[in-house]
Amino acid sequence: QVQLVESGGALVKPGGSLTLSCAASGFTFSDYYMSWIRQAPGKGLEWISYICSSSCTYTNYADSVKGRFTISRDNAKNSLYLQMNSLRAEDTAVYYCSRINGPFDIWGQGTVVTVSS
Amino acid sequence: EIVLTQSPGTLSLSPGERATLSCRASQTINNRYLAWYQQKPGQAPRLLIYGASTRATAIPDRFSGSGSGTDFTLTISRLEPEDFAVYYCQQYGTSPGYSFGQGTKLEIK
Repeated sequence: QVQLVESGGALVKPGGSLTLSCAASGFTFSDYYMSWIRQAPGKGLEWISYICSSSCTYTNYADSVKGRFTISRDNAKNSLYLQMNSLRAEDTAVYYCSRINGPFDIWGQGTVVTVSS
Repeated sequence: EIVLTQSPGTLSLSPGERATLSCRASQTINNRYLAWYQQKPGQAPRLLIYGASTRATAIPDRFSGSGSGTDFTLTISRLEPEDFAVYYCQQYGTSPGYSFGQGTKLEIK
């Protein structure tokens, strides 16, 4: 069964840091580009970052998170990560990981990040 | 960066009716790399359509997509109760990112 499971969401203070994880199963994780997408409360979807497959090292970020967030992957552990630094109130959202197969064909259930003092 | 604008913001229809949702891009989307997603409350988005008109796995044939260039449409031929949700378009063919439209909420009239 193809599945993505996010974890690591928490309540964090402004300026703090947090690392999200996404565990993949049911497919050859290293073959696929992967992405993080977030959704603020009551708002739409915002793509924030992607990382290419095992054969390359390219990453890309939305302007809203560039320089603060870092995407990475561990193909041996079938895991995707999002290191988030200098968190702001506007980073409060549900964070989804997704498999890129042209479009985003597989999504996790999401993990909640709340940035508040 | 390609900006996607969806219309209408909210669409109120009854089960059995036909729904037409629009997605307009600020510049041409190459190779029709346009996808549609459905999202229900408390759930992750689900891929419905990719390549502007190809249904994803297990998507009922009442869902269809069309369009090219900058104008795309998602049509639901006869609405079922489970179709009332928020729908997003997304472009995935042009670097640097994968922008989404702001969404259309399809609600029961």
